[in-house]
Amino acid sequence: AQTVTQSQPEMSVQEAETVTLSCTYDTSESDYYLFWYKQPPSRQMILVIRQEAYKQQNATENRFSVNFQKAAKSFSLKISDSQLGDAAMYFCAYRRWASGSRLTFGEGTQLTVNP
Amino acid sequence: EPEVTQTPSHQVTQMGQEVILRCVPISNHLYFYWYRQILGQKVEFLVSFYNNEISEKSEIFDDQFSVERPDGSNFTLKIRSTKLEDSAMYFCASSIVTGDTQYFGPGTRLTVL
Repeated sequence: AQTVTQSQPEMSVQEAETVTLSCTYDTSESDYYLFWYKQPPSRQMILVIRQEAYKQQNATENRFSVNFQKAAKSFSLKISDSQLGDAAMYFCAYRRWASGSRLTFGEGTQLTVNP
Repeated sequence: EPEVTQTPSHQVTQMGQEVILRCVPISNHLYFYWYRQILGQKVEFLVSFYNNEISEKSEIFDDQFSVERPDGSNFTLKIRSTKLEDSAMYFCASSIVTGDTQYFGPGTRLTVL
């Protein structure tokens, strides 16, 4: 079974600075998807970024980028120019390649942004 | 932008009662999911649904739970004989077949007293 581990329960960053959230996963499959979801205090789950495992290029969405290391099974999220609105719980998630497969989530990292 | 909607936003029920949580997935999506999140814990998969049948379910999804697509727009999760430990946030999600990012609804907070 696939597992996802986020070893940082809490992180903090100064506004306008950069922060990196860590995620590792375990799988025996070669094709899969990885995601970062953001959960603000409203508890809505919001997609931040996704990465297909077959792509060597790291995904980027505006201020959010990932460092995907397939051999190391590592998938970290970098937030540049942090804003107060980035404060939230961030979940890393894994999904098998097959359509409709479940998401397996990590434990989450609570990010605080200090003004 | 189309979005997944869920009703109610908050449901309070007595232990032993039945509840139905409702979701309207994004209209052109074909896969539907339910997840739950007990307060302070990670999000857990319950069930996925495709072509009017369950495609995958977790060990949490036992006989107490059922899902249904009663019409062309709604997707429901029924919890029979609720227990205190069923108190959680329940999220519905949907995805199209290809591409397959799952988009989540705002959740229903279920409180069992």
